[in-house]
Amino acid sequence: DIQMTQSPSSLSAFVGDRVTITCRASQSINSYLNWYQQKPGKAPKLLISAASSLQSGVPSRFSGSGSGTDFTLTFSSLQPEDFATYYCQQSYSTPYTFGQGTKLEIK
Amino acid sequence: QVQLVQSGAEVKKPGASVKVSCTASRYTFTTYAMHWVRQAPGQGLEWMGIINPSGGRTSYAQKFQGRVTMTRDTSTSTVYMELSSLRSEDTAVYYCARPRYSGYNYFDYWGQGTLVTVSS
Repeated sequence: DIQMTQSPSSLSAFVGDRVTITCRASQSINSYLNWYQQKPGKAPKLLISAASSLQSGVPSRFSGSGSGTDFTLTFSSLQPEDFATYYCQQSYSTPYTFGQGTKLEIK
Repeated sequence: QVQLVQSGAEVKKPGASVKVSCTASRYTFTTYAMHWVRQAPGQGLEWMGIINPSGGRTSYAQKFQGRVTMTRDTSTSTVYMELSSLRSEDTAVYYCARPRYSGYNYFDYWGQGTLVTVSS
């Protein structure tokens, strides 16, 4: 199985900060990397697919990059509604594993 | 808009089985594979497996092999996930999820989740 490791596991930041979350795969997954946002009690929401493809309706302050084993999710300027938990997921091979999550909290 | 509506919460005893349904609407059911993902309380997301509603072909995560069975009923556009030999660690919210595009394995559409509680 491909292991997905996110860092940090939690992060405190101010509204307006530029923030980056990292996801590392245990082997190359090309660009088969997706990012989700999850708020308490809700299903995850797809933000970015194929490492950098922003989904329709997702604000442009979100961006993704990377290929191979190392990927990042960047928030150019955090907004209050961005405080949530974020997961990466590889769709390269089954089982389609997720990272352990990064909880983004307001400082 | 695609809709995935799941069955209600369940409470089961250890050793029992649970069967969760996911009824799809507003698209052609047999065109898109359906995945199942679970989330234990306060924990991360865990992919369980996939079913192709067209022919019923399945693929399960090794962790669940032998305990999980995914089936579908094309007459009602419903997929099912049955998990047997339940233990306390299976307490989780179970989601069905579907990609926007056929053949892709990321999840644009999600059911509302079904809480399965395993407790004696």
